[in-house]
Amino acid sequence: QQQVKQSPQSLIVQKGGISIINCAYENTAFDYFPWYQQFPGKGPALLIAIRPDVSEKKEGRFTISFNKSAKQFSLHIMDSQPGDSATYFCAASPNQGGKLIFGQGTELSVKP
Amino acid sequence: NAGVMQNPRHLVRRRGQEARLRCSPMKGHSHVYWYRQLPEEGLKFMVYLQKENIIDESGMPKERFSAEFPKEGPSILRIQQVVRGDSAAYFCASSPPYGGGSGEQFFGPGTRLTVL
Repeated sequence: QQQVKQSPQSLIVQKGGISIINCAYENTAFDYFPWYQQFPGKGPALLIAIRPDVSEKKEGRFTISFNKSAKQFSLHIMDSQPGDSATYFCAASPNQGGKLIFGQGTELSVKP
Repeated sequence: NAGVMQNPRHLVRRRGQEARLRCSPMKGHSHVYWYRQLPEEGLKFMVYLQKENIIDESGMPKERFSAEFPKEGPSILRIQQVVRGDSAAYFCASSPPYGGGSGEQFFGPGTRLTVL
């Protein structure tokens, strides 16, 4: 299966709160899992990425948690800010350099 | 270091016309990918190219769509005889050569195609 399932479809968080977005996949050949942030009218921007040999990766306020046995990974945005309001996409790639399979996207709104 | 460049940013075509979308990868990047984003939907892979080679075209519609990445110049996504359903944002991404690279793909700003 080549699908990546993402949830929730939309998310509203108060400023300073934690935003959590989840993704699940079925293809065990996937070995690269990036997250992208997209603002309206712009291209997706790479936020953070992880490979299955680690269970967690943190960059600033953004953390990826990866559960290989459950075939799930999630994005945590700590201390969410109104400027984080955007659409977030998870993705997976079956091999280094291959195509990205994207989730359906999560529209995040951070309220001041 | 300039990012991925795409032009035009907006393109309007009438049904039956041809659309040509251009993508210049980041400096030093030799791999180009094209994705399509329909309104209110995620991004769908279309094609993966290296210089003068199509590596994976499993996401390309069988008819009317073609892509190339010549030895010199930008990558081109060509849509012949456009229909209203082709209206979408088309994104190009590039990545560096492998064998030490991370496989990260960097996206351009997209071309928004509107078919009247």
